[in-house]
Amino acid sequence: NAGVTQTPKFQVLKTGQSMTLQCAQDMNHNSMYWYRQDPGMGLRLIYYSASEGTTDKGEVPNGYNVSRLNKREFSLRLESAAPSQTSVYFCASSEGGGYTFGSGTRLTVV
Amino acid sequence: AQSVSQHNHHVILSEAASLELGCNYSYGGTVNLFWYVQYPGQHLQLLLKYFSGDPLVKGIKGFEAEFIKSKFSFNLRKPSVQWSDTAEYFCAVINDYKLSFGAGTTVTVRA
Repeated sequence: NAGVTQTPKFQVLKTGQSMTLQCAQDMNHNSMYWYRQDPGMGLRLIYYSASEGTTDKGEVPNGYNVSRLNKREFSLRLESAAPSQTSVYFCASSEGGGYTFGSGTRLTVV
Repeated sequence: AQSVSQHNHHVILSEAASLELGCNYSYGGTVNLFWYVQYPGQHLQLLLKYFSGDPLVKGIKGFEAEFIKSKFSFNLRKPSVQWSDTAEYFCAVINDYKLSFGAGTTVTVRA
């Protein structure tokens, strides 16, 4: 089925560990996004990529890096995880005002 | 830049009651507005969207929203809720080509 695929679905990290969240879309969308969802705060944009080869900071980029590997894939990296990064992470892609979201990654940093 | 405010954090109602969730946005030019729903443990699903045209927008699952430009509002309504409407609802606006979300409203429908 067409859509946005995120891996992993769940992850527990120790403080200071690093990891990469993967996201791939098969809808040939130009734009891709990473959001984090925290209770009472909605979804906040971490980074986005308007097109292949470009990335820009969103509302809460500190502690994260991204790579737009190709048109399909947009990864999010935590270099040194902190408890404040415990959250649910959603990847999305868009084209022409239509947005499609992945099923999310629940990350816990202990 | 656009921002979104949702007035209610948590709404509790009984089945068959009517639902209205408030959403206000800050002015910033052309407005593209959305309502998303997130059922427990699931990802976001689009309920409806407004880009232009008829300000009364019909969505899925019996939801509708009305864009009132003079009030900078895009409130979501459903005449008669069901237990299965228990979810979190997010209003969103396109802000400089990016989607910005309100804080969300948790809706609990009691059977």
